Amino acid sequence: ETGVTQTPRHLVMGMTNKKSLKCEQHLGHNAMYWYKQSAKKPLELMFVYNFKEQTENNSVPSRFSPECPNSSHLFLHLHTLQPEDSALYLCASSRHDGRTDTQYFGPGTRLTVL
Amino acid sequence: AQTVTQSQPEMSVQEAETVTLSCTYDTSESDYYLFWYKQPPSRQMILVIRQEAYKQQNATENRFSVNFQKAAKSFSLKISDSQLGDAAMYFCAYRSAMNNNAGNMLTFGGGTRLMVKP
Repeated sequence: ETGVTQTPRHLVMGMTNKKSLKCEQHLGHNAMYWYKQSAKKPLELMFVYNFKEQTENNSVPSRFSPECPNSSHLFLHLHTLQPEDSALYLCASSRHDGRTDTQYFGPGTRLTVL
Repeated sequence: AQTVTQSQPEMSVQEAETVTLSCTYDTSESDYYLFWYKQPPSRQMILVIRQEAYKQQNATENRFSVNFQKAAKSFSLKISDSQLGDAAMYFCAYRSAMNNNAGNMLTFGGGTRLMVKP
């Protein structure tokens, strides 16, 4: 596989469940991102990792917990979510070498919280 | 903070004709990047075209070109010879050129849904 991959593509969970979203990039990039895309709203940046270090947390509730074990993998751990968290969650990656390059996106995980 | 505005929630174009999607942005910076991304119904966000603010020449990529008006803070996308495969959501995005974490952050507009009529 090439580019940015995300699993699962679809996820339905109850409010008491714990689940994780996975993102993997095969582009040799060293910066990775989580975005939330809700209906009728612009994409919202959630988290940024540069060289595995979290550099941005855009006021995201603690029920979303990111993890970046290496430059190729990014996880989003979910627990006690609310129905309003239902959305498309997009992962992206880019180079970060002083002047960050273009971001490349994965296909997204469609999350439904019941 | 920067903002990006796409004033056209939906647009339609006849196949083979030309359509222009509008985007305006607000920033106090002089060096930045602007992007148009396409998101087809399959949802993979794809980069269409990119413009560097310090370059006066408008970027072009095959049938896609931009009209970058820096003073007016306008960045429109023109699609020539529209094809059925061009039907998608189109997002305009801004990114600072600053060499810090702000350089990582993309600010998106609300998107324009483009429909292509056969």
